[in-house]
Amino acid sequence: EVQLVESGGGLVKPGGSLRLSCEASGFTFTDAWFTWVRQVPGKGLEWVGRIRRNTEGGAADYAAPVKDRFTISRDDSKNALFLQMNSLKTEDTAVYYCATESWWKFHNWGQGTLVTVSS
Amino acid sequence: QSVLTQPPSVSGAPGQRVTISCTGSSSNIGAGYDVHWYQQLPGTAPKLLIYDNANRPSGVPDRFSGSKSGTSASLAITGLQAEDEADYYCQSYDNSLRGYVFGIGTKVTVL
Repeated sequence: EVQLVESGGGLVKPGGSLRLSCEASGFTFTDAWFTWVRQVPGKGLEWVGRIRRNTEGGAADYAAPVKDRFTISRDDSKNALFLQMNSLKTEDTAVYYCATESWWKFHNWGQGTLVTVSS
Repeated sequence: QSVLTQPPSVSGAPGQRVTISCTGSSSNIGAGYDVHWYQQLPGTAPKLLIYDNANRPSGVPDRFSGSKSGTSASLAITGLQAEDEADYYCQSYDNSLRGYVFGIGTKVTVL
């Protein structure tokens, strides 16, 4: 069974940093692309960014609102995906989901972790 | 303001058919990128419901169907059931934004 479990969310002040993790199991991690999607409570879904598998270079792409502030990385030895968030803004407050990505769509999703940016 | 336009809400009685539209532009759906649909039940993570415009993952009832034409796509639910009350999102890729885009989501209410 495919499982994705996010962690690391919490309360952080504007301008601060936070690192989210996503631990994966039930599939071959090294073969997978991953994406992060966020959702402001009560609002819609917003794509944050994605990372390719290392055999394809492991590069990441980002949505404009987070580019140059967020960094996606992966540790294939630990079956783990990360989202490093710097220079956080109040508008980054959301539930953050990790998901497996293939062929332009998102197959399996984690349960999400809430990030609150507030003073 | 989302790149893909969906109605905020649709409703129907049990057993009825409802449709949800998803309108894009020449940089996403109209450029030939596939449309995918997700169902988000209250308090849960989204779930892939329809992929590549019209295909259902295993386990998704055939009451759900999708189609795409030009710069738009649609999701249909036939034989509406109480358990179908959820938010539904369309998603595609946009080559102008160079990233994935979602619709604003449509809340389906079973009367």
